[in-house]
This record gives sequence, C-alpha cells and structure tokens, in this order.
Amino acid sequence: DIQMTQSPSSLSASVGDRVTITCRASQSISNYLNWYQQKPGKAPKLLIYAASSLQSGVPSRFGGSGSGTDFTLTISSLQPEDFATYYCQQSYSTPPEYTFGQGTKLEIK
Amino acid sequence: EVQLVESGGGLVQPGGSLRLSCAASGFTFSSYWMSWVRQAPGKGLEWVANIKQDGGEKYYVDSVKGRFTISRDNAKNSLYLQMNSLRAEDTAVYYCARLTLYFHSSGPHRAYYYYMDVWGKGTTVTVSS
Repeated sequence: DIQMTQSPSSLSASVGDRVTITCRASQSISNYLNWYQQKPGKAPKLLIYAASSLQSGVPSRFGGSGSGTDFTLTISSLQPEDFATYYCQQSYSTPPEYTFGQGTKLEIK
Repeated sequence: EVQLVESGGGLVQPGGSLRLSCAASGFTFSSYWMSWVRQAPGKGLEWVANIKQDGGEKYYVDSVKGRFTISRDNAKNSLYLQMNSLRAEDTAVYYCARLTLYFHSSGPHRAYYYYMDVWGKGTTVTVSS
C-alpha cells in the first residue's frame, strides 16, 4: 500500500503570505498526485490534479509541483477564503486504491 | 447542473447493516468510475471503495473488505454502498465522488490520471448502541 504523509499537520499564516504544504509518498508515484481543499462541514474540492494541473475555476494563486515521492502545494498570496484543510491523494496505485494524506489545517495567525 | 446526492445514513447498532445511496445527475453516470470516501469525526479523508463504469471491477480499503459492497445501477444513475457488520470505527460522513479520467499524451509517453472532481455533500453514519 502507498502511504501519503503531509507536513506540517497544521500551519498558521496571515492574509497575503506565501504558504507551502508538502506531501510525501512512501514510494514513487510519478506525478499521479491530486490536491483537495476542505472547509468545515463541506465536501472536499479538487484544486490540482496530475501534480501541477489547475482544476478549472480554481484561482491561479494555487500551484502544485513535484514528481516521484515529494510534492508541494503552494498558495502564492493567502486570501481569507483559503483558510481550510488541504489533502493530497495519490492516484498511482494499481489496483486503484487512492489513498489520502492525513491533511494540513491552515489557520489564521 | 452536475450533482451527487447521498442518502441512507443514520444511527445503527454495532453489528447492524445500512445501505447508502448516491443519486447522480447532470452527467453521463455510466461513463465514470465512482468512489466512496469517508471522514470520521474530526479526522481526515479515507478512501473506501471504487467501482468501474460497468460494475465489473470493485476495490476496497482493507478495513472494510468482506463487510462493505459497492454497487451501481446505471439505469437509475445511482451508486450504492451496502455496509454490514458495522463497527463503531465506521462512524463517519460518507461521500460519493466521481472519478474523472484525464488522458495526457506527449510523444510516445501516455498517462492516465484519475481525480475526484465532483462530490456529494455527504451522509452521516453513526454506529453506536
């Protein structure tokens, strides 16, 4: 099984900050990596797929990078609506068992 | 409008059973893999199960194998999760999600990426005596 580990587990930042969240896979997953945002009481929302492709309608301040085992989600200038929990997910495994990271909670400083 | 709506959650005793449903609309349901994902109170997301377009392939997280069954009825645009032998640790919000395929080709290189781009609002399952 492929394990996904995110760091940090929580993060405090201010509006306007540049923020980076890291996701590490237990084995190489090429660029089969997705990022989701979840706000309290809401369903997750897809932000990034294939490690760096921005989902339609997602603001360009969100960016993804990485390949192999190490990936990052970057928010270039935090907006008030970005305070949420972020999850990475691998879609590499065969059979398709698409595990998530444990999440990173982004809070207002 | 593309939409997924879950139903069937509730309170059930340990060892009991429950059947969740997910009604799809606004897209060609039979063309997509579908998933169930759950979230225990205060915890992260956990992938639970995937099912292929024709129902011919099904995959489960180890913790539910032998207890949960994913199925679909393409004529009714519906996805299901039959949950048996329920345990307290199955308590969670259960989401259904659409798995979309993105095909990328660059020279001789071809890649097939899957991601969950449409989600329902979830249905809550509580296992407690």
